Amino acid sequence: NAGVTQTPKFQVLKTGQSMTLQCAQDMNHEYMSWYRQDPGMGLRLIHYSVGAGITDQGEVPNGYNVSRSTTEDFPLRLLSAAPSQTSVYFCASILRRGVPEAFFGQGTRLTVV
Amino acid sequence: RKEVEQDPGPFNVPEGATVAFNCTYSNSASQSFFWYRQDCRKEPKLLMSVYSSGNEDGRFTAQLNRASQYISLLIRDSKLSDSATYLCVVNNDMRFGAGTRLTVKP
Repeated sequence: NAGVTQTPKFQVLKTGQSMTLQCAQDMNHEYMSWYRQDPGMGLRLIHYSVGAGITDQGEVPNGYNVSRSTTEDFPLRLLSAAPSQTSVYFCASILRRGVPEAFFGQGTRLTVV
Repeated sequence: RKEVEQDPGPFNVPEGATVAFNCTYSNSASQSFFWYRQDCRKEPKLLMSVYSSGNEDGRFTAQLNRASQYISLLIRDSKLSDSATYLCVVNNDMRFGAGTRLTVKP
């Protein structure tokens, strides 16, 4: 089905390990973003991209890197995982800024021990 | 001050009740406003956009008050299935409020 594919769904990391969360969309959306959601809290914007080759920081970018080499893919990298990065991560895409409907991946539940 | 603020609730209401949530924003230049719904452990989904003149979709009414810089969501005749967290989104950068949790009880 068309939409946003986010992998993995679950991940356990040890402190200091690195990993990449994958996000791909096949809707030719310009805008993609990554959020984290902690228990009882809303979504906090980590990084976003308005198009291939362009990325920018959101509210909580520290500890995360992103790249946007293609329109379809927007991976999120944790270079050295910390327990404070234990969270649920969501990737989202919208056609372009200002268009209301964001399509979300199913989320990644990350635990850092 | 946070860019987008919501009353976290929880709001516990009986079936059939009318309930309203507000979401305040700090950037007076904000142009785009939306309400999303998030079920437990699921991804958020668009509920409705908020237009300057206000808009209605069935039991749901969204309004914008630019002077006081807030948007609101009104749910009439609450159903058990309305139980969820409601998130507001302000502006083109898709920044979410913390969400308001609603529980509708029989």
